[in-house]
Parts: sequence; C-alpha cells; structure tokens
Amino acid sequence: NAGVTQTPKFRILKIGQSMTLQCTQDMNHNYMYWYRQDPGMGLKLIYYSVGAGITDKGEVPNGYNVSRSTTEDFPLRLELAAPSQTSVYFCASSYPGGYGYTFGSGTRLTVV
Amino acid sequence: AQKVTQAQTEISVVEKEDVTLDCVYETRDTTYYLFWYKQPPSGELVFLIRRNSFDEQNEISGRYSWNFQKSTSSFNFTITASQVVDSAVYFCALKETSGSRLTFGEGTQLTVNP
Repeated sequence: NAGVTQTPKFRILKIGQSMTLQCTQDMNHNYMYWYRQDPGMGLKLIYYSVGAGITDKGEVPNGYNVSRSTTEDFPLRLELAAPSQTSVYFCASSYPGGYGYTFGSGTRLTVV
Repeated sequence: AQKVTQAQTEISVVEKEDVTLDCVYETRDTTYYLFWYKQPPSGELVFLIRRNSFDEQNEISGRYSWNFQKSTSSFNFTITASQVVDSAVYFCALKETSGSRLTFGEGTQLTVNP
C-alpha cells in the first residue's frame, strides 16, 4: 500500500521559476488536499478537491494553482516562485467525513 | 469559523515523567471530528487518534490517553511515563462535519530528556 505519494521530496527554486508538486493516492479517496507548513507553525490549507474536476480554495491559495483530472492525482502548481513560498508542502487525502485522513511524506521547497 | 488553540508552544520533561498536551477548539457545528498527529524530527505526520464529537469517552492506548470534554471544548492528550522517542511536535486538529478542511493548531514541541 503506497497511500499518498508526493514527489519530489526536496527542491530548490530560484525566484520567478515555476514547478509542479505531484501528489498521487491509491486509496480511491474522493477528497484531496494541499497544506503548507512554515517553520514552527501548524499546517494551513492551500487548496482542496472533493472529486475529479472539482477544486476549491483554502486559507492560503495565492500564488498556487491546482487541477484534479483524475481521482488519483492532485498536482499543485507554483507559477512564479517567491521566497514566501519556502515551506514544507503536504498532500493528503480522505473519504468524506474525515475518515481515513492520510498524509504524504511532504515536499521541502526552498525559494532563493 | 473553526479554530484550534494549543497554548503550550514547548514542553520539556525528563524521561518517565507524565506530560499532558492541551488542546482547545472552537466550532459552531454540533458534529465534528478531533485529531491528534505526531510529527517526529523526520518530518512526517503520524496519525494518533480521531474522535467523533458524539463520543465523549476517554480513550487509552498504551502510554497514550485522551481526555475529551465537550463542556470545555478541550481534547487533551497525556503521555504516561514519557520516553525519549516521544520527542516530537504534536498537533491537534479539528474537522467540522459540514466542511472538508482539517484545521490545525500551531503545535506543541515536546522534548523528553534522558
């Protein structure tokens, strides 16, 4: 059981560059989420999806985009990287109602 | 709006001491779920417990126990006979039944010294 798989695990970007953080789950969960965790802080929700073709903004969506073309995949796109986006990014998935909430191992992103 | 407060930023104890991590939450929903996660130095999030708001029974799992009190909107976590391996950041989180998001507290850094 792979659960939630995130790639890459680490990445350094230059200001203004773009990248996509990949997230795949194999549990047939309807719901998927992207969170960011700044140093010494809790996780904040960036975007979430309740099913293929449906996405919605979380608390901190500025500077990010998402898409959900399949149940399994939920990529997060950074178009113009800024130092404020230096953070650890966690992808998660769940069934409706909070059952089976599962996190990936995280992507540590540094923007310089 | 939902909110989770973990007032203890850092706690330091000596091995074998008992330690309680506090969690206070705010929600307008009558049904919700509460969670505790452990984040060891390696960085991953380890699920510890999920509690339904209908179930106010306290729970014990080995050295871990949870005290859920709806009257005070608290969901505290106690580690009995702490060990060095318990050193981690612990997060309390809330999910309202009416919503999709998990709202996290700021976390409590627990350090258990030998």
